[in-house]
Amino acid sequence: DIQMTQSPSSLSASVGDRVTITCRASQSVTNYLNWYQQKPGQAPKLLIYAASSLESGVPSRFSGSGSGTDFTLTISSLQPDDLATYFCQQSFSTPRTFGQGTKLEIK
Amino acid sequence: EGHLVESGGGMVQPGGSLRLSCAASGFSFSTYEMNWVRQAPGKGLEWLSYISNSGNTVKEAAAVRGRFTISRDNDRNSLYLEMNSLRVDDTAIYYCARERRDYGDYSFDVWGQGILVTVSS
Repeated sequence: DIQMTQSPSSLSASVGDRVTITCRASQSVTNYLNWYQQKPGQAPKLLIYAASSLESGVPSRFSGSGSGTDFTLTISSLQPDDLATYFCQQSFSTPRTFGQGTKLEIK
Repeated sequence: EGHLVESGGGMVQPGGSLRLSCAASGFSFSTYEMNWVRQAPGKGLEWLSYISNSGNTVKEAAAVRGRFTISRDNDRNSLYLEMNSLRVDDTAIYYCARERRDYGDYSFDVWGQGILVTVSS
């Protein structure tokens, strides 16, 4: 199974900050890497698919990059609504493993 | 653009069984692969099972293989998860999720609201 490791596990930042979350795969997943946002008490929501494609309706302050084993989710200017836990997921192979999550808090 | 609603959760004793359902609407259910994902209290997301659009291909995580069975009824626009020999560590919120497949894109683009399953004596 492909292991997905996110860092950091938690993060506190101020409104307007640029925030970066990383995700590393234990083997290459090419660009089959997705990012999800889960707000408290809600289901996950797809933000980024295929490593760098923005899902329809998602604000443009979110972006993704990377390929192979190393990926990044960036929020260019943090907003209060971005309080959530963020998960990466590889869809290169089954099982479709997720990272352990990064809990983002607003200072 | 698609809506999923889970049902059938609740409390069950260890060793018991439950059948979860996921009702789909707003999209052509029979053309999409589907998945079940769960989240234990305060924990991350765990993929459980996949079923092809026809139902002919299924895959399960090792943690539930032999105990959980995924199925679907395309005439009823419904996805199911039959859960047997339930254990305390199966306690979680269970989500159904639609899998979108396109060139370079295999993502879970529509999720249900989740249903709580509690396994306790």
